[in-house]
Amino acid sequence: QVQLVQSGGGVVQPGKSLRLSCAASGFTFSTYGMHWVRQAPGKGLEWVAIIWYDGSDKYYADSVKGRFTISRDNSKSTLYLQMNSLRAEDTALYYCAREDGSRRFDPWGQGTLVTVSS
Amino acid sequence: DIQMTQSPSSVSASVGDRVTITCRASQGISSWLAWYQQKPGKAPKLLIYAASNLQSGVPLRFSGSGSGTDFTLTISSLQPEDFASYYCQQANSLPWTFGQGTKVEIK
Repeated sequence: QVQLVQSGGGVVQPGKSLRLSCAASGFTFSTYGMHWVRQAPGKGLEWVAIIWYDGSDKYYADSVKGRFTISRDNSKSTLYLQMNSLRAEDTALYYCAREDGSRRFDPWGQGTLVTVSS
Repeated sequence: DIQMTQSPSSVSASVGDRVTITCRASQGISSWLAWYQQKPGKAPKLLIYAASNLQSGVPLRFSGSGSGTDFTLTISSLQPEDFASYYCQQANSLPWTFGQGTKVEIK
């Protein structure tokens, strides 16, 4: 079945780096745009980044621009989010999501928690 | 950036009630609007896409309407499994943005 399985979260000190992964299965990964969305504890959803199906273009939320990098390896059907210069306000549950037709997020990964704390 | 404003932020309702949630965009987004349901500890689930299209497998009691700047999600007869948070999301232009969410609680 169509599935996104995430890994790579954890606790990290401010200013440090972390990389999240999102492994896709059950569909042709290389034909879909992919996104990262995050949710701070007790808060709503915040869109983070998008990467085109072939990696040719990327776009970021202002809150992470210059610090986060979205990438993909279509040969491994895997999406990544490299997070540098992490701040306390980056603490959140991070979700990867496939952009299905009609600009919809479906499915979503299970989420991975990133905690930025000294 | 396009701002999405949902109302109400929370609603208390009983099983069988009709519940309506509205979402207003700060500028026109055509029909590029989706609705998601999120239960505690779970990833969001797509309910409605392109403003009024029901995602496969979603019960018929859910419906969406609207275009331009004003949109509505309606649950025609609330069921116990519908108590959750609901988010609208615009996909007209980057950055895609979400509403702040509406929590549907048991009355």
